[in-house]
Amino acid sequence: QKEVEQNSGPLSVPEGAIASLNCTYSDRGSQSFFWYRQYSGKSPELIMFIYSNGDKEDGRFTAQLNKASQYVSLLIRDSQPSDSATYLCAVPAYSGAGSYQLTFGKGTKLSVIP
Amino acid sequence: EAQVTQNPRYLITVTGKKLTVTCSQNMNHEYMSWYRQDPGLGLRQIYYSMNVEVTDKGDVPEGYKVSRKEKRNFPLILESPSPNQTSLYFCASSFTSGTTQYFGPGTRLTVL
Repeated sequence: QKEVEQNSGPLSVPEGAIASLNCTYSDRGSQSFFWYRQYSGKSPELIMFIYSNGDKEDGRFTAQLNKASQYVSLLIRDSQPSDSATYLCAVPAYSGAGSYQLTFGKGTKLSVIP
Repeated sequence: EAQVTQNPRYLITVTGKKLTVTCSQNMNHEYMSWYRQDPGLGLRQIYYSMNVEVTDKGDVPEGYKVSRKEKRNFPLILESPSPNQTSLYFCASSFTSGTTQYFGPGTRLTVL
């Protein structure tokens, strides 16, 4: 069973601070990694994907990947109350016959305090 | 506008009354999938489809059926719904399996 683990939170940070969200995965063969944001009652939306070791930056978001440690993180700089949501980590796992299924972590709930 | 649509968005029904939740995408994606989301359990995959006429079970397929007769549509069928199928359901699609998935707006189902 391929696993993706996240701290459920809630993670509370003050407005303007850096929020750090972490995700570990069990499948050493995983090549790409996705971060989704989900507001309460809404559908998940993609905010970042990363497939190379190191950092990938997009605006206030930075994804960090360490394949040796099987660890991927998401940093949100200058956190805003509108960033308050649940963040889902997703990792494709090979399921045979050339198909990959996204395995989602249970998500970390982030609360940005004004 | 590229999107995944689901209908209905909200549904309250009774045990045993067959229902279908429709899903359609306009992005010419090969891969489509159904998930259910429950508090504390996260997103769990019900069924997926690699292409037309190709479907397979996900992690929680019991009590559900799907079909993929056209590339754009992937309906979810509950032949005899039960209260434990009360959940928030999402349809998603992607160009191929393992790539970025785009989610529909969700269907909140209550089975009494």
